[in-house]
Order: sequence, then structure tokens, then C-alpha cells
Amino acid sequence: DAGVIQSPRHEVTEMGQEVTLRCKPISGHDYLFWYRQTMMRGLELLIYFNNNVPIDDSGMPEDRFSAKMPNASFSTLKIQPSEPRDSAVYFCASSNGGREPQHFGDGTRLSIL
Amino acid sequence: AQSVTQLDSHVSVSEGTPVLLRCNYSSSYSPSLFWYVQHPNKGLQLLLKYTSAATLVKGINGFEAEFKKSETSFHLTKPSAHMSDAAEYFCVVSAESYSSASKIIFGSGTRLSIRP
Repeated sequence: DAGVIQSPRHEVTEMGQEVTLRCKPISGHDYLFWYRQTMMRGLELLIYFNNNVPIDDSGMPEDRFSAKMPNASFSTLKIQPSEPRDSAVYFCASSNGGREPQHFGDGTRLSIL
Repeated sequence: AQSVTQLDSHVSVSEGTPVLLRCNYSSSYSPSLFWYVQHPNKGLQLLLKYTSAATLVKGINGFEAEFKKSETSFHLTKPSAHMSDAAEYFCVVSAESYSSASKIIFGSGTRLSIRP
């Protein structure tokens, strides 16, 4: 049974470049979440979707960040242009909604030079 | 409003001794409570969940947690620590439904170290 799949696992790029992170949720899950984790700020919820529709993006730090979910099996988080302070581990998680727990991917470690 | 407080940022125990990781919460709703574990370079993995059934919840790897409404606590315990338990642990509180992102709250985490 495949879990949440994120790609790439690691990304190193120079500031100003566009970065796209990808996520495939668990089949049948109707909620998808994007998180960012840093030592300073811990785990932050950026945005979440229900049935492919963005429900709350209040955690997105600024307009440079955008997320899409074109279908039930794929989501992207894009940063354009990227900045060094965006360096973090980005996690995607999915759940069956309601009171069910979230299942996390292994994350994308992003370094912006 | 909801909040969750993990009372210790770091806990260190000897292998074979009991583990206690403390979590207090507040919630205006009937909460769901979870404990997750994160090993280095990995995502968070669910250890156990409380959703208003039995107050003592058993999870994976020998962990359990007790929901105490009077104390607004949901502490995580294990009778005997193993070296493989060394990781970061997160307490999470969630409202009955995901009506808004602010109702999904992660604690700041407790790093568990195991001494040989």
C-alpha cells in the first residue's frame, strides 16, 4: 500500500529560480495538506485542499508561494522567485477527512543558495 | 480556540526505563488528539489517536497515551525505552472537522534521547 509520495527528495537551487515540489496523496484520501518545517518555526501548515479545492491558504507566507491540485492524485507547491529564507523541509500529507489522522510523505529538503 | 503545549523540548532516558512525554491541550470543541513520531530525515508517522472512545489509547511500538479531560492532558508513555525510540514526538489537537486550518494544531515537539 503506497503512502504519500513526494518529489524531489532534495532540491538545491539558486535564489531567484522557480521551484516546484510535487505530491501524490494516498488514493481515496480527500484532504491534502502542505507543511513547512524549520528549526526556528517548527511545523507550519501552509495550505490544505478538500476534494481538490483549496480551503485555507492563510499559512502561505507570501505571493511567491502558490499551490495547485489539478486532480485527486496530484498536487504542486511552487515558489517563484525563490529566496534563501525559503530553505526548509516541505511535507505533504493526506487524510480521509473528518477526525482521521494525516499520513505524511518523507518530505522535500529545499536549499536556496 | 485551540492550543497544544508540549511541556518538555527534550527528554533523555536510559534504555529500558519508562518514557513520559507530556502534552496539555485546550479546545473549545470535543477534540481529537494524536501523537506522531518523526525520525531523522523522515516524515511524521502516526503513533496513536484519541477520538472520544476509550480514554487509554494504545499505539504502535508499545506506546500508549491517556486522555484526562479534567487535567486537559494527553501524555505519551512507554514502559521500557528502546534505542530505536530516539526521535522527535509531536502532540496534535484537531477539531471535530476540518472547517478551518486553525483547528489543526501541532505542538512544538519533544526530542527523545535514549542513553545506552
